[in-house]
Amino acid sequence: DVVMTQSPLSLPVTLGQPASISCTSSQSLLYSDGNTYLNWFQHRPGQSPRRLIYKVSNRDSGVPDRFSGSGSGTDFTLKISRVEAEDVGVYYCVQGTHWPPGLTFGGGTKVEIK
Amino acid sequence: EVQLVESGGGLVQPGRSLRLSCAASGFAFDKYAMHWVRQVPGKGLQWVSGITWNSGSITYADSVKGRFTISRDNAKNSLYLQMNSLRVEDTALYYCTKDLEGPSYWGQGTLVNVSS
Repeated sequence: DVVMTQSPLSLPVTLGQPASISCTSSQSLLYSDGNTYLNWFQHRPGQSPRRLIYKVSNRDSGVPDRFSGSGSGTDFTLKISRVEAEDVGVYYCVQGTHWPPGLTFGGGTKVEIK
Repeated sequence: EVQLVESGGGLVQPGRSLRLSCAASGFAFDKYAMHWVRQVPGKGLQWVSGITWNSGSITYADSVKGRFTISRDNAKNSLYLQMNSLRVEDTALYYCTKDLEGPSYWGQGTLVNVSS
């Protein structure tokens, strides 16, 4: 089974400063069709999860351009160029390359304001 | 407007059963795989089970294999999760979500509380 490992577990950030979250998979996420199905989700308290990034670096509709994704193979990064108060929440990387058998979520990174 | 509306959660004793439902609207439900994902209180998101568009492939997390059964009715635009032999550790908010291919849609979740 694929294991997704995120770091850090907690990320205190000053408003207006950048933030970066790392995600490593135990297997390559490059699929036979040439795509890499690595997604990033934001989960705010009391809300449903919201996808920010799909296929490593593509922003979903309505997602601010301060969010960006990068990486390849087994190593991926989500960056927030300037953190705003509304960015507080837990961020998850999720692989869809190896579905079936299943989706795999990283353990989550809690972003909070210092 | 796209909607995924879960129902069927509640308080249940260990060992008993519950059936969750997810009613979908606003997108071509019968063309996409669907999943159940849960969040245990204070913990992260966990994938529970998934089913392809035609029910041709069905898979489960190891923690629920043999106890939970996912199914769908494309004529009714509905997804289901039959949960048997419930355990305290199954207590969670259960979300229904469309496959990650294309736009991402999630419901608001239905709370399952397994307690004696």
